[in-house]
Amino acid sequence: DIQMTQSPSSLSASVGDRVTITCRASQSISSFLNWFQQKPGKAPKLLIYGVFSLQSGVPSRFSGSGSGTDFTLTISSLQPEDFATYYCQQSYSIPRTFGQGTKVEIK
Amino acid sequence: QVQLQESGPGLMKPSGTLSLTCAVSGGSISSSNWWSWVRQPPGKGLEWIGEIYHSGSTNYNPSLKSRVTISVDKSKNQFSLRLSSVTAADTAVYYCARGVVVVVAATPHYYFDYWGQGTLVTVSS
Repeated sequence: DIQMTQSPSSLSASVGDRVTITCRASQSISSFLNWFQQKPGKAPKLLIYGVFSLQSGVPSRFSGSGSGTDFTLTISSLQPEDFATYYCQQSYSIPRTFGQGTKVEIK
Repeated sequence: QVQLQESGPGLMKPSGTLSLTCAVSGGSISSSNWWSWVRQPPGKGLEWIGEIYHSGSTNYNPSLKSRVTISVDKSKNQFSLRLSSVTAADTAVYYCARGVVVVVAATPHYYFDYWGQGTLVTVSS
């Protein structure tokens, strides 16, 4: 199985801050990396697929980068509705695996 | 707008078989998509269980493969999960999700675009 490791596990930030979350794969996954946002009691919501392709309706303050084993999700200016948990997920191979999540909290 | 809705018992006893159904509306289960189950233990991360194509082709997580069966009922536009010999460790919110493949720059990318709301299954004696 490909292990996905996110860092940090949690972070505190203020509205307007630039936030960066890192995801590392245990082996190369090329560009087969997706990002999800999950709010308490809700299903995950797709933000980005294929490393940097923004899902329809997702604000442009979200962006992704990386390739191979190291990937990044960036929120350019954190908004109140962005406080949530973020997960990366690889679609390179079966089983499809997720990172352990990064919780973004209000400072 | 595609919608997915999970249904099934919320409480079950250890050693039993968990059975959940995901009803798909706003789209056909026979479309060119995969249909997945993902679970999330309380306060923890996401675990992919497995997926099925309308043809009946399946992929399972090796960690659960010996206990999992996913099936599709095209006449009812739904798919189902069976997980046998459950223990407290199987307590989780179970989500169904649609897996799509899109081609970007000649490369096929797979992602989950629609999810059900999730259903909590508690395993307890």
